[in-house]
Amino acid sequence: DTAVSQTPKYLVTQMGNDKSIKCEQNLGHDTMYWYKQDSKKFLKIMFSYNNKELIINETVPNRFSPKSPDKAHLNLHINSLELGDSAVYFCASSQGAPVWSPLHFGNGTRLTVT
Amino acid sequence: GESVGLHLPTLSVQEGDNSIINCAYSNSASDYFIWYKQESGKGPQFIIDIRSNMDKRQGQRVTVLLNKTVKHLSLQIAATQPGDSAVYFCAENEVEGQNFVFGPGTRLSVLP
Repeated sequence: DTAVSQTPKYLVTQMGNDKSIKCEQNLGHDTMYWYKQDSKKFLKIMFSYNNKELIINETVPNRFSPKSPDKAHLNLHINSLELGDSAVYFCASSQGAPVWSPLHFGNGTRLTVT
Repeated sequence: GESVGLHLPTLSVQEGDNSIINCAYSNSASDYFIWYKQESGKGPQFIIDIRSNMDKRQGQRVTVLLNKTVKHLSLQIAATQPGDSAVYFCAENEVEGQNFVFGPGTRLSVLP
């Protein structure tokens, strides 16, 4: 059983479109995350979210918005897509603070904006 | 910090040799550290972790060393195998932001 699953695996779209990436975890974790991985493999936090608090990386454009219908899901909505949004987006989950545990990652969504 | 302009460091080792991958972390307040392995087309996979009250931890064929004085973390892989070829990341917990900050990654290539 996949612990963290995200869909779609590939997403090709045109500039200006709005798209969503879905993420679900079945680990019972209380915190979920979105990371962006650029072409140089650098992983950068975009959001972390538990049922109490959304923490946003201040460098993330407000075109990106996380939405969590429940504890097991954290979807990523992107409005007005730009070429620079092309990257691989990873969802992850963990038991957050105060007792940290490892992040469990999904297999990523490769977004290509043309 | 950002890896703008940096190329992914590469470490090439012969099959059967030991590998050592190094990582400098940024925040002296971080108290939990993780090594991840990322294979092509997949998400990062947990390898081993260590908390700041320890300086060494061993797993199966892997050892993590933590030197808090110089804020340095290393991953040692014994008897490196072709299946170990991947990109390896260290990560530290960012207490204030309640997330993990990743290092720039090292690509490990295992030569036959």
